[in-house]
Amino acid sequence: QKEVEQNSGPLSVPEGAIASLNCTYSDRGSQSFFWYRQYSGKSPELIMFIYSNGDKEDGRFTAQLNKASQYVSLLIRDSQPSDSATYLCAVRNSGAGSYQLTFGKGTKLSVIP
Amino acid sequence: DADVTQTPRNRITKTGKRIMLECSQTKGHDRMYWYRQDPGLGLRLIYYSFDVKDINKGEISDGYSVSRQAQAKFSLSLESAIPNQTALYFCATSGTSGGKETQYFGPGTRLLVL
Repeated sequence: QKEVEQNSGPLSVPEGAIASLNCTYSDRGSQSFFWYRQYSGKSPELIMFIYSNGDKEDGRFTAQLNKASQYVSLLIRDSQPSDSATYLCAVRNSGAGSYQLTFGKGTKLSVIP
Repeated sequence: DADVTQTPRNRITKTGKRIMLECSQTKGHDRMYWYRQDPGLGLRLIYYSFDVKDINKGEISDGYSVSRQAQAKFSLSLESAIPNQTALYFCATSGTSGGKETQYFGPGTRLLVL
C-alpha cells in the first residue's frame, strides 16, 4: 500500500511569514510529485509539480524534493490570508499504477492577518 | 466554460435508491478518474479509465460502478445508495502538461444519502 503522509495541522502563520508544508512518501520509485490547494468545499487546484531533486520556484511558491529521503515540501513566501486552505501532497505511483496519484490527507493552513 | 464539469453539483437521496453522477470534459484527455473525499480520510480513488474500453477498479470500488460512454464522458453509479456513501465526489482527468502527466479536477458533487 503506497502511502503519503502529511501533518494535518492546522498550521497557523502570520501574514507575511513563510509557511512550510511537508510530505513524506513510501513509494521509493515515484518520480513525480504534486501540490494541490483546496479551499473548503471546492475542488483541488494544482499549484506546483516537481520531478527533480532540489528546488523549483513559481512566484511565491517553492517546491523542494529530496528523493533519497522520500520527502517533498512546499514553501509559501509572504503568506496572505487568501492562502488559507488545505494543501494536498500527491505522488504519482511507480510501475503499473503510474497514471494514478496517491494523495496525502492534506495540511490545513491558516494565515492570520 | 469549465474544462471538467460534473452534474449534479448537489444531490440528496434515500437509502436504496440508484443514482448516477456524470462527468464531462473538454480537455481531450484519455484518462479519467472518480474520487471520493471524506473529512479526515483525504481523496480516495474509486474507479479510473484509460480509454473507452479500459475500466479499472480503484482503492474503494465496492458499491459503485462506472460507464465510459465516450472519451469525454465518465459516469459513476451507486446501485443502491447507503448512508456511508455520503461524501464529496470528484471527477478528474489527466493529460500531459509541460511534457509531464498532470491531473485536473472537476468542481465536485456533494452527495447526501439519508
